[in-house]
Amino acid sequence: GAVVSQHPSRVICKSGTSVKIECRSLDFQATTMFWYRQFPKQSLMLMATSNEGSKATYEQGVEKDKFLINHASLTLSTLTVTSAHPEDSSFYICSARTLTRTGTNNEQFFGPGTRLTVL
Amino acid sequence: AQSVTQLDSQVPVFEEAPVELRCNYSSSVSVYLFWYVQYPNQGLQLLLKYLSGSTLVKGINGFEAEFNKSQTSFHLRKPSVHISDTAEYFCAVTRLNTGGFKTIFGAGTRLFVKA
Repeated sequence: GAVVSQHPSRVICKSGTSVKIECRSLDFQATTMFWYRQFPKQSLMLMATSNEGSKATYEQGVEKDKFLINHASLTLSTLTVTSAHPEDSSFYICSARTLTRTGTNNEQFFGPGTRLTVL
Repeated sequence: AQSVTQLDSQVPVFEEAPVELRCNYSSSVSVYLFWYVQYPNQGLQLLLKYLSGSTLVKGINGFEAEFNKSQTSFHLRKPSVHISDTAEYFCAVTRLNTGGFKTIFGAGTRLFVKA
C-alpha cells in the first residue's frame, strides 16, 4: 500500500530555534500534500495544502511566515517551524494524495507524525 | 460550510460487547466519508471509507459503517470489541469540488475497552 514517512518522529528544541520536518511519499507520487496539527486529546486541524511546484495554501489563522511549507518534488514536502516557541509544541502530521493510482484518488495517506516539543 | 460531529467524546465498553461510534456531517456538496483509528503517538490508520455504491461499508479489524444520506450520518460499528480496539477514532469528510480537495475531521471518540 501507499506509505508516507515523516522525519524526525520526535524533536525537542529550544525556544527561538527553527525546526524542519520532512514528509515523504515512499512508493507513489504525491501531487498534493497536507499538513495537520494535533494538540493533545484533540482532533487534527488542517494547517495548509501544498501542491508540487506551487505555493502552499494556508488555512485561516495559520501564519505562513511561521510555518514555511515547501513541496519541491512529487515525493517530498517540508514544514519548517520558524522561531519556535513553547506554544508551537504539538503533534504534526502530514498526508499525501495521489492521482496516479486508479480508484484511490480520493484517499489520503497519513504519515506517522512528528512530536515537536519546544522548551 | 462543511462540518463533522462525533457525538460521543468517550465510549467505555466491555470486551466482546458491541459498540457504535456516531458521526454526523453537514455539507452542501457531495462528500466522501472515512473512519480512521489512531493509537497513542501514532499517525492515522484508515479503517474504512465510503465513496459511492453500497451504503454498508466493511473495513479492517471487523469494523463496518453505514452511510445514511437522509440522516447525514456515518456511524461506525463493531459487533464484538477487543481490548486492542482501545484507541481514538476519527470520522472524516472529504469534499472534492472546484474549491479543491479538503478533509475535515471530527473531534474524535475515545473507545475504551474494559476487561
